[in-house]
Amino acid sequence: SQQGEEDPQALSIQEGENATMNCSYKTSINNLQWYRQNSGRGLVHLILIRSNEREKHSGRLRVTLDTSKKSSSLLITASRAADTASYFCATARGSTLGRLYFGRGTQLTVWP
Amino acid sequence: DAMVIQNPRYQVTQFGKPVTLSCSQTLNHNVMYWYQQKSSQAPKLLFHYYDKDFNNEADTPDNFQSRRPNTSFCFLDIRSPGLGDAAMYLCATSSRVYSNQPQHFGDGTRLSIL
Repeated sequence: SQQGEEDPQALSIQEGENATMNCSYKTSINNLQWYRQNSGRGLVHLILIRSNEREKHSGRLRVTLDTSKKSSSLLITASRAADTASYFCATARGSTLGRLYFGRGTQLTVWP
Repeated sequence: DAMVIQNPRYQVTQFGKPVTLSCSQTLNHNVMYWYQQKSSQAPKLLFHYYDKDFNNEADTPDNFQSRRPNTSFCFLDIRSPGLGDAAMYLCATSSRVYSNQPQHFGDGTRLSIL
């Protein structure tokens, strides 16, 4: 069954604005990963944050993790039209090595 | 470039007619995964191989099977596809089975059932 639930389901912004997507999950995790999927394509790994980390950066991406609230957020700063895609969080649990459980994703649209 | 390749990108089959989807990788990764993704839904893990060790998810339908003849190739066989099996099928790899490794995805095969 799915673990992560992203919020919002859809987000529409203008180029240059920041985009924030949230993910909530239900059980304890080893790590949480964010993936991006362009329409009709496969998923691309963006960033992994371990359960003992609180924040991580990669270029214009910033991910936070709050294990007490079982939630994570993905911030894309200074968004571009090319950032238009679906973004998924995926959780990995210690009891199920190698398995990732994905949420339904947030569809981000960035208007030029 | 090292990558995960899925063929074909689009596959059409008839209701009940067996179909095979293929995946190859040049990453030399030990682990290969098959996911099913229906429209606007989360990718759902069907099974994975750690080397030749096959791991089936509990809720994977019985008419879904997989073969991994060598490190590079993995196949998804659907014995008797139903209309509900129409979906995007994604293959992914990772270098180790431990969950702190990112997964590398192919571009998927979109399966349509007539």
